[in-house]
Amino acid sequence: GAGVSQSPSNKVTEKGKDVELRCDPISGHTALYWYRQSLGQGLEFLIYFQGNSAPDKSGLPSDRFSAERTGGSVSTLTIQRTQQEDSAVYLCASSPRGASGGGEQYFGPGTRLTVT
Amino acid sequence: KNEVEQSPQNLTAQEGEFITINCSYSVGISALHWLQQHPGGGIVSLFMLSSGKKKHGRLIATINIQEKHSSLHITASHPRDSAVYICAVSPLSNTGNQFYFGTGTSLTVIP
Repeated sequence: GAGVSQSPSNKVTEKGKDVELRCDPISGHTALYWYRQSLGQGLEFLIYFQGNSAPDKSGLPSDRFSAERTGGSVSTLTIQRTQQEDSAVYLCASSPRGASGGGEQYFGPGTRLTVT
Repeated sequence: KNEVEQSPQNLTAQEGEFITINCSYSVGISALHWLQQHPGGGIVSLFMLSSGKKKHGRLIATINIQEKHSSLHITASHPRDSAVYICAVSPLSNTGNQFYFGTGTSLTVIP
C-alpha cells in the first residue's frame, strides 16, 4: 500500500516569505507527527496530532510555526516569515496508535527547505 | 539531559566486520525502535521490540528491560549498511504521546 507522502520534496524560498508543507499519512493512521532535522542533527519534535484530540504543539519553536490536520488525514505545516535558521528537512510520520499505544512510526521522505 | 543515549556517535568498519550499536534510555518504555536513515534518504523502521531479541537478515536487535539497554548488531557488514541508525523509545508515561529519539550513530562500512 501507499506510504507516507510529503510535498514538495524541495522548497527554496526567500527570507520573510511564508511556506506550506504537506503530509499525506497512511490511510487509517490516527497519529501524525511533524519533525525537523537540521543538517547533521537529530530529530526535533514539532507537533503531534491524534484523532480528533487537540494537537500537542509543545515542540513548535515559535509562533511563526503552525500546523493543521483536516479531516483526520492530510496535514499542513505552515511557516510564516521564514528565517534562514528554518532551513532544514521537515519530516512527517504517521502511526496507527501513536507512542503511548506502542505503535510504529512510518516516515515520509521529507521536505528539504532552504531559506535564502 | 537526553532520555535516550546512543554510542558510538560515529563508527567506521571494514566490510565483513561485526558491528554493535548501543542504546541506553532512562524512562520506562512500552517499546523501543531502531530506525535507519540513508544519506539524503528517508527514515525506515528496522525493529520495534519490547523484550528479548529480534532478527531480520543480517540485523539483530536485543533489549534488556531491567538494564534499560538495547543493542543493534549487524553481521557481515556491507557498504550498503552505511547509514545513520537511530534508537527511539515509546515512553510508558507520556502525556504528549511523543517518541524520544537518540541522536543517531553514523555508520560507514568501507569496502
